Amino acid sequence: QIHLEESGGGVVRPGRSQRLSCAASGSEFRRSVMHWVRQAPGKGLEWVAAISYDGGHKYYGDPVKGRFTISRDNSKNTLFLQMNSLTVDDTAVYYCGRGLKDMSGPIDRWGQGTMVIFS
Amino acid sequence: QSALTQPPSASGSPGQSVTLSCTGTSSDVANYDSVSWYQLRPGKAPKLILYEVNKRPSGVPDRFSGSKSGNTASLTVSGLQAEDESDYYCSSYGANNKVLFGGGTKLTVL
Repeated sequence: QIHLEESGGGVVRPGRSQRLSCAASGSEFRRSVMHWVRQAPGKGLEWVAAISYDGGHKYYGDPVKGRFTISRDNSKNTLFLQMNSLTVDDTAVYYCGRGLKDMSGPIDRWGQGTMVIFS
Repeated sequence: QSALTQPPSASGSPGQSVTLSCTGTSSDVANYDSVSWYQLRPGKAPKLILYEVNKRPSGVPDRFSGSKSGNTASLTVSGLQAEDESDYYCSSYGANNKVLFGGGTKLTVL
């Protein structure tokens, strides 16, 4: 089974950038759609972005489109989220997740999350 | 405001059944059988409990069941147990390759 572990969270300042990583175990990563989902304090889950298994297709939620970039390195089993022009509204726990089947499939494996907070 | 609408809270006594609703639109819930439900506990990773409306991943008790009618999906928890107390989120695939979540329902076992 695929195991996911996020890193890269921390304290940031508005307007700055941050890059999150998600390290995956196992060979399933390179065959899987991958997602980023976030949860702001006291709020619900919000889908952030997704990427096809080969990185050829990327999809974004409206609040982050044009500011965030999802990418992956299948040779290193790692998913990334480059976050630019950060605002206080981006404060959240960020989860990476593995999509089952295709883009319309559920997220069946999740990491524990990494927190991004503003100073 | 979340893309899908869920009641903020629900409750039931042990042994009872409770149904949580998730309302979307003709562009998402009504148009695709790609509705999923997740259980989220503080400090823990979300857990998939239903997908494709009514399919259970391995290890999820059959007390959890799902259905859909039009633009509303439902999660029913039968034979409520104390361990079912949690936040539950629905999700649906939507138009233009979007993934939508509901605002979550906090289920309390009385």
